[in-house]
This record gives sequence, C-alpha cells and structure tokens, in this order.
Amino acid sequence: DTGVSQDPRHKITKRGQNVTFRCDPISEHNRLYWYRQTLGQGPEFLTYFQNEAQLEKSRLLSDRFSAERPKGSFSTLEIQRTEQGDSAMYLCASSPQQGTYGYTFGSGTRLTVV
Amino acid sequence: AQSVTQLGSHVSVSEGALVLLRCNYSSSVPPYLFWYVQYPNQGLQLLLKYTTGATLVKGINGFEAEFKKSETSFHLTKPSAHMSDAAEYFCAVRGTGYALNFGKGTSLLVTP
Repeated sequence: DTGVSQDPRHKITKRGQNVTFRCDPISEHNRLYWYRQTLGQGPEFLTYFQNEAQLEKSRLLSDRFSAERPKGSFSTLEIQRTEQGDSAMYLCASSPQQGTYGYTFGSGTRLTVV
Repeated sequence: AQSVTQLGSHVSVSEGALVLLRCNYSSSVPPYLFWYVQYPNQGLQLLLKYTTGATLVKGINGFEAEFKKSETSFHLTKPSAHMSDAAEYFCAVRGTGYALNFGKGTSLLVTP
C-alpha cells in the first residue's frame, strides 16, 4: 500500500491551455474523490466515483472540467481552456466501500495558471 | 445543507499548553464529523471522526474531540502541544452523498 499518488505535483500552464492530472488511488479502494483547495480555504468537493461510475458532480465542476476513471482504477481530471481562477491545489482521495468515510488523501497537484 | 464553521483562523499556543480548536456544525441529518490536519504542501490526514456511538472520540497524535449535539459543536483538543503539531487543521461534515464539506481551516502555531 503506497497511498494515494498524484501526478504531477506541480503544473504551471498558460491561460487557455488544457491540463490533465492523474490520481492513482489505494488499490483496494473503489471510491475516488476530487477536491479543489484554494489558498486560505478548505477543500471543496468536485466529483466522486464509485468504481468507474461518476456518481456525484459539484456545481463547481464547470463544463471545462471533466473527470474519468476508466476501469475503476486510476482517474484523470482535465481542465480545458484554463483560466487564472483555476489556480489551486487539486486533491484526490480514495476510500474503501465498507466503512464510513475513511478518506485517504494524496499530496495534491498544485496548478498555477499564468 | 451541511456546513461547519471554524472559529479562529489562527491559534497560537505555547509548547506544552492545551490546544483547543473550535468547530460548530449545521446539519439537517445526523452528522458525521471529521478533523483533518494538513502540513505545508501536503494532502490532508485524518485525525479522527465521529459517526455514531461514543461522543468522545480519540484520534492520532494525542488529539481528541467531543461531539456535543446540544451545542452543535465538535471541538478538537490536545492536552499538551508539541512543536510538530504546527499545521493547518480542518473540520468537516458529511454533505450530500459521499462528499465532505470542509471549514476554512485553523492555522495552529506552537511557540517554544
């Protein structure tokens, strides 16, 4: 068990470019979550997968954001046409199906849009 | 909607002193409550959680929290602060579905 891995750790991109982040959850965890954290704020929920099914999406997840989890393993979060307001830490977490919300978070991907 | 309010964005304590971080919640359903800690440039680590049962919850690193329904509170305490406790602390409540709704965080500073 190597924990939740996120790649890359840091990403700097120009406004208008597309970016994609990857999350590898703990292997036996079938639930996967994406959160966004801006400076001085707590994490905000973006979306949730159970296996490969995306079961919840926040209103924060605009049309420019898309998340996938093919085959119920790793997940990707893509942001199209990035804006400066997208600059944030993007956190991934996973949890087992049994048990109550025992999230394990990854270290996050810090996105800076210039 | 389920939400939490963390009172005090910054708390400073001396090493060895009591740590008290305040969290009040609002929930239309029986609350599941959590405390997480975040060190710089890292993800969040679960300290403890309350779901049902005993209202005094013990967590890692000597932290504990007490669920008080009458006060809608879930304050985090530690009897004696260590320098290594300096970090950002987040209270969270179960939202709709499996999402957690986090507070804005409290930055704990521990002085020698």
